[in-house]
Amino acid sequence: TQLLEQSPQFLSIQEGENLTVYCNSSSVFSSLQWYRQEPGEGPVLLVTVVTGGEVKKLKRLTFQFGDARKDSSLHITAAQPGDTGLYLCAGAGSGGGADGLTFGKGTHLIIQP
Amino acid sequence: DVKVTQSSRYLVKRTGEKVFLECVQDMDHENMFWYRQDPGLGLRLIYFSYDVKMKEKGDIPEGYSVSREKKERFSLILESASTNQTSMYLCASMLGGTRLLFFGEGSRLTVL
Repeated sequence: TQLLEQSPQFLSIQEGENLTVYCNSSSVFSSLQWYRQEPGEGPVLLVTVVTGGEVKKLKRLTFQFGDARKDSSLHITAAQPGDTGLYLCAGAGSGGGADGLTFGKGTHLIIQP
Repeated sequence: DVKVTQSSRYLVKRTGEKVFLECVQDMDHENMFWYRQDPGLGLRLIYFSYDVKMKEKGDIPEGYSVSREKKERFSLILESASTNQTSMYLCASMLGGTRLLFFGEGSRLTVL
């Protein structure tokens, strides 16, 4: 069974600060996705990383896939209250189909104004 | 944009009642999924479907069944609701083998 550990579980910081959240596994994934979920809503896909060492930027969000494709990080620069939410990572195994997706339990992020 | 619509955002049912949760997607995706999300447990896959009338068990299918009579619609059925099925239920769709999930807004079910 593939497991994805996300850390920290909870994070509360002030507006304008930087932060990094992590998604780690002992398993290799063919790709890894990050989702953001706001309270009372469904998760929304932010990005997919596919290649080991890949870095993708989405405005103030920077996503990195580890060289060995076992881990990923999300760095937010100058956090804003609109960044508040649950951040989920999901790894795709070598099998086909979303039944092969493994979700982490998420990082609850609160940005205080 | 992909639109995944779940019929009910909030439901309150009694133990033993039959519950239907409906999900419709408008992008002609072949694959559809039902997850439940609970604090501390994350998202867990209940059932998924790769085609009309086709269904596969996920990680926690016990107590649930599904129906996919049309490509755009995937229903989750609780034959006899129990209190431990109180949860947030999330439907998702996916195009082909992209591995990218598009989620609905969720249905929060409370079983009393």
